[in-house]
Amino acid sequence: GEDVEQSLFLSVREGDSSVINCTYTDSSSTYLYWYKQEPGAGLQLLTYIFSNMDMKQDQRLTVLLNKKDKHLSLRIADTQTGDSAIYFCAETPVSGTYKYIFGTGTRLKVLA
Amino acid sequence: GAVVSQHPSWVICKSGTSVKIECRSLDFQATTMFWYRQFPKQSLMLMATSNEGSKATYEQGVEKDKFLINHASLTLSTLTVTSAHPEDSSFYICSAKPLLAGATDTQYFGPGTRLTVL
Repeated sequence: GEDVEQSLFLSVREGDSSVINCTYTDSSSTYLYWYKQEPGAGLQLLTYIFSNMDMKQDQRLTVLLNKKDKHLSLRIADTQTGDSAIYFCAETPVSGTYKYIFGTGTRLKVLA
Repeated sequence: GAVVSQHPSWVICKSGTSVKIECRSLDFQATTMFWYRQFPKQSLMLMATSNEGSKATYEQGVEKDKFLINHASLTLSTLTVTSAHPEDSSFYICSAKPLLAGATDTQYFGPGTRLTVL
């Protein structure tokens, strides 16, 4: 089945690193994504990783993929108060259908 | 680039009326658009996949006669909530997949429309 799980909450202090975790069950996923949603807004694409990659870094963001364990993580370095939001991981289980399966979302709160 | 807009951003209507929500890709063409529904503090639930020039594909449990989708052009898809009831109150988000997205299947999301049915 297709099920994407995330921890619900994460609280960190400003300047620390944040690590948001995601587990998925469909091993046929080709791409995995991280989106950010601020209150009352749509989703902003942060980054994505192809399933044959282990790691991708983009400025303050580092994505790690453990395909064997079906585990995806997003690390935000030097977390700022503006990073407070809900973060969703998403997978595309079957390439070509373009359908996303979203995770449950992790609410990140950054304390000043 | 890759901007998606939605109109209106919020709407309040009386029970029994119909509401139309527009989703536009502003700087790219999209053969495929998606409509999601999000309840408070929950994840996004895919309602339907909208393909330009053809009928939408609805997810299981979504009433096609209740949620009418039209994708008349490569930049516009509309969702009409017919005979709206209070349980239809929700945050509706659309997304669009660029025609020339390559192999990444990336979707770009609109800002959402908050519907409140009284």
